[in-house]
Amino acid sequence: NAGVTQTPKFQVLKTGQSMTLQCAQDMNHNSMYWYRQDPGMGLRLIYYSASEGTTDKGEVPNGYNVSRLNKREFSLRLESAAPSQTSVYFCASTDRNYGYTFGSGTRLTVV
Amino acid sequence: SQQGEEDPQALSIQEGENATMNCSYKTSINNLQWYRQNSGRGLVHLILIRSNEREKHSGRLRVTLDTSKKSSSLLITASRAADTASYFCATDGYDYKLSFGAGTTVTVRA
Repeated sequence: NAGVTQTPKFQVLKTGQSMTLQCAQDMNHNSMYWYRQDPGMGLRLIYYSASEGTTDKGEVPNGYNVSRLNKREFSLRLESAAPSQTSVYFCASTDRNYGYTFGSGTRLTVV
Repeated sequence: SQQGEEDPQALSIQEGENATMNCSYKTSINNLQWYRQNSGRGLVHLILIRSNEREKHSGRLRVTLDTSKKSSSLLITASRAADTASYFCATDGYDYKLSFGAGTTVTVRA
């Protein structure tokens, strides 16, 4: 099925550990995004990639890095996880003519 | 800060009734989008309305956009239990960023 695939779906980290969240889309979209969602809140933009080869900071980039590996893949890295990064992370892609397609999310807990 | 703000924060209606929620935003937009999120799931795109459009329909959904008031509304007609979800408006500016509001939680009672 066409769409956005995120891995892993669940992850528990200890404070200070690092990890990479993976995202891949098969819709040939140019733009890809990473959001986080905290309880009772909307989504906040962490980083985005308007096109292959470019990345830019969003609203809450501190503590994160990204890599646009190719047109299909956009990864999010936490170098030293903190409890404040406990959240649900969503990847999305779009060609900007229609709506965004979201992945099913990664539930991350930092203890 | 978030661009869009939905009102009300929560809405409870009887099955068969209409549900209306509003969204206000602060800066000029390229388009405005509405999304649905079922509990524990990802977001699903419902409808996109461009800045030069005033009204759009999709099935039981009707969206209006008033750029002079920087506001939009989403109407769900003849609601069903399956419409129980959180609904988010999101504004797409000219900077490749989609900004979300905090959402309206809709509960449809049988």
